[in-house]
Amino acid sequence: GENVEQHPSTLSVQEGDSAVIKCTYSDSASNYFPWYKQELGKGPQLIIDIRSNVGEKKDQRIAVTLNKTAKHFSLHITETQPEDSAVYFCAASMDSNYQLIWGAGTKLIIKP
Amino acid sequence: DTGVSQDPRHKITKRGQNVTFRCDPISEHNRLYWYRQTLGQGPEFLTYFQNEAQLEKSRLLSDRFSAERPKGSFSTLEIQRTEQGDSAMYLCASSMIGQGLDTQYFGPGTRLTVL
Repeated sequence: GENVEQHPSTLSVQEGDSAVIKCTYSDSASNYFPWYKQELGKGPQLIIDIRSNVGEKKDQRIAVTLNKTAKHFSLHITETQPEDSAVYFCAASMDSNYQLIWGAGTKLIIKP
Repeated sequence: DTGVSQDPRHKITKRGQNVTFRCDPISEHNRLYWYRQTLGQGPEFLTYFQNEAQLEKSRLLSDRFSAERPKGSFSTLEIQRTEQGDSAMYLCASSMIGQGLDTQYFGPGTRLTVL
């Protein structure tokens, strides 16, 4: 079955700097890759997603890139702000069952 | 607020008791998912419905767990004879399938503590 690995587990960056979180997946049939942000005590909130027919997608300070050949995708956050501090999860799914397989999460800490 | 609501937000129970959680999805969404999340981990898939039909169940879903979506709208997740290992956050998500869309929107979760 599908397996998603996420790195790093913790990332600390200075406010205003960029943050990059990377994920790899194992099943080449996966074709949908969302990123979720989860704050303490809350449910995951979708921040951006990408499908396998697209290599890059951007939404203001957030971007996701996908390399299908290498089977990895990355989240890029520019000009980080204190409110970006949270746990970020990547996930992968395929059209056959739409079941999300999740990475282990990255705790992002923005230092003032 | 994603539009997915869950009730209750917190539940404390004693081992051996039964508990039931409710999820109200975004109204036009035809798929509803249940996940379980323990501290420091990503969510784990439990089961999902398309309309009122339960299409898939994870092997994590023991026979003490049952889920229903009787009219294709809200769903309930019941845990019978709770064990301390059931303590976790139970998350519900919904999506709209049929237009090539499968984006899942999550509710705030129900945190279960079994004493």
